[in-house]
Amino acid sequence: KAGVTQTPRYLIKTRGQQVTLSCSPISGHRSVSWYQQTPGQGLQFLFEYFSETQRNKGNFPGRFSGRQFSNSRSEMNVSTLELGDSALYLCASSQDRGRGDTQYFGPGTRLTVL
Amino acid sequence: AQSVTQLGSHVSVSEGALVLLRCNYSSSVPPYLFWYVQYPNQGLQLLLKYTTGATLVKGINGFEAEFKKSETSFHLTKPSAHMSDAAEYFCAVTGGNAGKSTFGDGTTLTVKP
Repeated sequence: KAGVTQTPRYLIKTRGQQVTLSCSPISGHRSVSWYQQTPGQGLQFLFEYFSETQRNKGNFPGRFSGRQFSNSRSEMNVSTLELGDSALYLCASSQDRGRGDTQYFGPGTRLTVL
Repeated sequence: AQSVTQLGSHVSVSEGALVLLRCNYSSSVPPYLFWYVQYPNQGLQLLLKYTTGATLVKGINGFEAEFKKSETSFHLTKPSAHMSDAAEYFCAVTGGNAGKSTFGDGTTLTVKP
């Protein structure tokens, strides 16, 4: 079974621009979660989508948004980029995000904001 | 609310020595606990998890962890370190809010030859 894929793997943007990251979950997985990883803040939960609906949301500003399509693929968007948005963005999928369900992580998209 | 504290941001051991990575959690409901490993430029890989049942959990690559409710701990151990174990390790908890895992700050494990 193919793993979680994320595109692109690397991205360089300038302040004020917007960016869209894509995540394809493992086939059959309906839940997709997004995390931001930075050296200073560690791994922080952004949001989770299940069956095209946002089910959980972390403490990030409204510039961070996401969506999920009917095939469970997910995108996250960051508008008006700031230098502090430079991070590794990780996507994780699971079959049904019950508390004990295993999350499978993609390799991440490394975003650099100049 | 839930939180995770990993004691020691860096741990260094010799090859063949015991590995002990510490994790303490806080959760307002019975926790589900996870250990992940991350190699450079890669995503996270699940090592093991505790949900219910046996408190000693065995994972991949010879790792195991014991859930101790009285100590609110979930420490990760491996009897004999291998060079390939060098990586960053994360402890995580999922509490009452299904779908939202809270991660510790991570522990970087260095294995010396």
